[in-house]
Amino acid sequence: DAMVIQNPRYQVTQFGKPVTLSCSQTLNHNVMYWYQQKSSQAPKLLFHYYDKDFNNEADTPDNFQSRRPNTSFCFLDIRSPGLGDTAMYLCATSRAPLTGGYNEQFFGPGTRLTVL
Amino acid sequence: DAKTTQPNSMESNEEEPVHLPCNHSTISGTDYIHWYRQLPSQGPEYVIHGLTSNVNNRMASLAIAEDRKSSTLILHRATLRDAAVYYCILRDPYSGSARQLTFGSGTQLTVLP
Repeated sequence: DAMVIQNPRYQVTQFGKPVTLSCSQTLNHNVMYWYQQKSSQAPKLLFHYYDKDFNNEADTPDNFQSRRPNTSFCFLDIRSPGLGDTAMYLCATSRAPLTGGYNEQFFGPGTRLTVL
Repeated sequence: DAKTTQPNSMESNEEEPVHLPCNHSTISGTDYIHWYRQLPSQGPEYVIHGLTSNVNNRMASLAIAEDRKSSTLILHRATLRDAAVYYCILRDPYSGSARQLTFGSGTQLTVLP
């Protein structure tokens, strides 16, 4: 089945130690998203790629970076994690949205990151 | 993006219909109404979307008020597997932020056996 895969599902890191989360998709979608979801809160968009075009949300901390080496893979790098970065990180994909049309987003299962 | 208001939580009995309300009094003429749900420990999943007319699919129905200031997601026969947080989201496909979804706080649905 075509899907969005996130690895690892659980990650523990130490304060200040860089960490990379990965996402891959078999849907061949143009757009890939990274969301942060803290406990009991709604998902919050960090950034997205439209093909190779990177789009950062205005309030995403500089500590968060992303790479998309090809259509299938996208990485979330947290350069110096703080305790406040403990959260679920969700990757999602969609086909390029058509003006006036709609393409749903497909989410992966998430990576639960704990910063100690 | 226009804002939505949903109850924090709702309960339903298994095998009974569930009506999940959403208010969006500042909706614009080009905003679509989308519903996603998030099962425990999973990523959100698409449920349904609509613009003006009521919509049905295999998961649910969407009833949209005539003035479009509110809508209702209808699960015709709730199962335990439907226990999730349900998000009502507005999106204008013609806007600069058309690619993204802005999640509100959602409604936590509990299904009682």
